[in-house]
Amino acid sequence: IQMTQSPSTLSASVGDRVTITCRASQSVGIWLAWYQQKPGKAPKLLMYETSTLESGVPSRFSGSRSGTEFTLTISSLQPDDFATYYCQQYNGSPWTFGQGTRVEIK
Amino acid sequence: VQLVESGGGLVKPGGSLRLSCATSGFTFSDYYMTWIRQAPGKGPEWVAYIGATGGNIYYIESVKGRFTISRDNARNSVYLQMNSLRAEDTAVYYCARKSGLARFLDSWGQGTLVTVSS
Repeated sequence: IQMTQSPSTLSASVGDRVTITCRASQSVGIWLAWYQQKPGKAPKLLMYETSTLESGVPSRFSGSRSGTEFTLTISSLQPDDFATYYCQQYNGSPWTFGQGTRVEIK
Repeated sequence: VQLVESGGGLVKPGGSLRLSCATSGFTFSDYYMTWIRQAPGKGPEWVAYIGATGGNIYYIESVKGRFTISRDNARNSVYLQMNSLRAEDTAVYYCARKSGLARFLDSWGQGTLVTVSS
């Protein structure tokens, strides 16, 4: 199953509302996770089952789904949120990741 | 929860490496463990997983017959033996814990770099 993220890079300012899209090549149901990765660090789980926040993740992060299209939204971008975000489907094997969306400072 | 990888390095094409991942802070024998790799500038790629008791092993197609995942529950460690290495295996390799809830990854190590080059 191929996961396609858009955009590849997103320039935004602190306080902006940011939306990242991930499209699956076939149905993955609700079985999608989002990760945040900062340079030189491992990915960190943000959300699973489309919209369930991992413990400790701020409520400004949210997720949604429409068919095979998934969205990660950051309601008000904070300085700590500048990073690369990856989606991962875990409905079918092999589990597959998107190619990433880099959120950079405008 | 802590996961610490070791064993990466520079190796020539056709060579071998054995990666280790030492864990602490959770009941290791309750969890599936995985190896994930990330080539420079690319998204992560799941490589292999192993069930909690050492059974139920799965590999991506590109490493089948070359890589072997194993674990030692007495030592709280998981391993990846990599043989017949190719340039395209160059990546940072992470060990990660599969969530007890489903097949996402809730804890990751810091990674170890494997470079395959002559």
